[in-house]
Amino acid sequence: GESVGLHLPTLSVQEGDNSIINCAYSNSASDYFIWYKQESGKGPQFIIDIRSNMDKRQGQRVTVLLNKTVKHLSLQIAATQPGDSAVYFCAENISGSNYKLTFGKGTLLTVNP
Amino acid sequence: GAGVSQTPSNKVTEKGKYVELRCDPISGHTALYWYRQSLGQGPEFLIYFQGTGAADDSGLPNDRFFAVRPEGSVSTLKIQRTERGDSAVYLCASSLTPGLQWNEQYFGPGTRLTVT
Repeated sequence: GESVGLHLPTLSVQEGDNSIINCAYSNSASDYFIWYKQESGKGPQFIIDIRSNMDKRQGQRVTVLLNKTVKHLSLQIAATQPGDSAVYFCAENISGSNYKLTFGKGTLLTVNP
Repeated sequence: GAGVSQTPSNKVTEKGKYVELRCDPISGHTALYWYRQSLGQGPEFLIYFQGTGAADDSGLPNDRFFAVRPEGSVSTLKIQRTERGDSAVYLCASSLTPGLQWNEQYFGPGTRLTVT
């Protein structure tokens, strides 16, 4: 079965609110976790990654949290904007395979103006 | 600079036909990857090139699928005797050489393949 999956297939938020997208993984050998954003008709776009020896990493308006105890990953988007509307995927890179990404199914984020 | 480009953007073919999908990676990226994305799913790994050689083709579904990268830059994914189940978006990505740890992969816009 899949190693990476998402709790919520869709998420609808109001513009300006904070968004939280969740992801569960099952492979404790994963070394890197990556969040991608995919807009309609485009390829996935890198947002942020986190290494397995970290529990939090911040970027511009985004924060990724990693809880290895329960094998859970989340992406927090602050002050969500209409341009954030897209499908968000978490992906993992398993230790020892420094190139192969395993993606989950994705969460569709819709931002209402 | 220019990102990863893929041609064609859309391809419609009849069952049983042969198709070629092209990928132009970011200049200087030695690693190139092909993924397949079915509707509503995340991308699935197909093959990884380091330079001209296929370092890992474990994701190719069967021997109808083949990919080449003869000069270590442009890559072509070839599908023989296409089947309706091959319909998907085929994504190409490139990166710097993976070292001891993961390097960010930059994706192209994909080629949407429809087999009728």
